[in-house]
Amino acid sequence: AQTVTQSQPEMSVQEAETVTLSCTYDTSESNYYLFWYKQPPSRQMILVIRQEAYKQQNATENRFSVNFQKAAKSFSLKISDSQLGDTAMYFCAFSQEGGGADGLTFGKGTHLIIQP
Amino acid sequence: EAGVTQSPTHLIKTRGQQVTLRCSPISGHTSVYWYQQALGLGLQFLLWYDEGEERNRGNFPPRFSGRQFPNYSSELNVNALELEDSALYLCASSFFRGGGETQYFGPGTRLLVL
Repeated sequence: AQTVTQSQPEMSVQEAETVTLSCTYDTSESNYYLFWYKQPPSRQMILVIRQEAYKQQNATENRFSVNFQKAAKSFSLKISDSQLGDTAMYFCAFSQEGGGADGLTFGKGTHLIIQP
Repeated sequence: EAGVTQSPTHLIKTRGQQVTLRCSPISGHTSVYWYQQALGLGLQFLLWYDEGEERNRGNFPPRFSGRQFPNYSSELNVNALELEDSALYLCASSFFRGGGETQYFGPGTRLLVL
């Protein structure tokens, strides 16, 4: 079974700073998919970014980018120019190839607080 | 385009009762997933439905069950409620093209068992 570990339960940074959230995972699969989801205080889970393991290039979405290190099984999320609206729980998630057999496996989450 | 919708938003039940939660996927999505987000336990996979069939379930007892209808909407049923069933229940939907598709989440149903 896959496991996802987020080692930072909470982080706090000033607005406009850059912040990096860590995620490591364990799997014996060679192809898989990784996600970062954001869950603001309103509770609606929103996709931030998606990475396909067979792609070497790191995914980016505007101010959000990942550092995907397949050999190290690491998938960190970098948020540039952080904004107050980035305050949320951030979950790293893993999905194996072959469908939703085990659903998404989530880490415990990192509570990110952006201070004004 | 409408997102994933769930009803009701909140529920209060007593131990031993039964509850039904509902989910409508994004139009065109055939897969529906259910997750439990309990305090301290994180998000755990409950059930996966695709094309009307249960495809897989997580490590939950049989009193957690559900179904998917021809219009791809889904119900989650929980029988003989226990206090530890108190949680946010999230539904997600996606296309299914072999794996790795993005799951889009609904706002959740908050269940409190007294």
